[in-house]
Amino acid sequence: AQKVTQAQTEISVVEKEDVTLDCVYETRDTTYYLFWYKQPPSGELVFLIRRNSFDEQNEISGRYSWNFQKSTSSFNFTITASQVVDSAVYFCALSGANNAGNMLTFGGGTRLMVKP
Amino acid sequence: DAGITQSPRHKVTETGTPVTLRCHQTENHRYMYWYRQDPGHGLRLIHYSYGVKDTDKGEVSDGYSVSRSKTEDFLLTLESATSSQTSVYFCAISALSGHLNTEAFFGQGTRLTVV
Repeated sequence: AQKVTQAQTEISVVEKEDVTLDCVYETRDTTYYLFWYKQPPSGELVFLIRRNSFDEQNEISGRYSWNFQKSTSSFNFTITASQVVDSAVYFCALSGANNAGNMLTFGGGTRLMVKP
Repeated sequence: DAGITQSPRHKVTETGTPVTLRCHQTENHRYMYWYRQDPGHGLRLIHYSYGVKDTDKGEVSDGYSVSRSKTEDFLLTLESATSSQTSVYFCAISALSGHLNTEAFFGQGTRLTVV
């Protein structure tokens, strides 16, 4: 069975602070995919990133960066110089390569509040 | 943005009544999914479809059925709604599977309240 744990249920920071959202996963698959989604107050789910298990290279996109470490089964997400618009619930998710389609196992989500 | 439309967006229904939620896509993607979102649980898979008339159960399928008669439409039916099915329901689509796995795109969600 697959499992995704986001231990931080809520994080509050002041604008311009850096913040890291933790994600730990469990899977028996040798090939799998990890995702981050953002859910702003308006409620839609916005895709942020997909990472393949065989590619441990970290990724940076603007103020966002992701640290994937297979040794610790973690896929952490860092926002640099946070902004009020980053306030949202962030979900980490996992999909196995043998799934029929892209069936995602989600973590419980981390609510990020960025205060001005 | 991926062309996914959920209807209705909001619904209040009474316990014991059947309810059908509709997901319509314009992307011609093979795979479609229904998830429910509840506080503390993230999103959990209810049912999914891997083609017309091809569906299977997800993690929380009890009390739900689905149908897919056309590529573009995926219906979720609550056979006899219960208060525990009060939730936000999301439809998602994705294009490929296996080692060519791609991201799933989500609809806007349907907020269902069972009273």
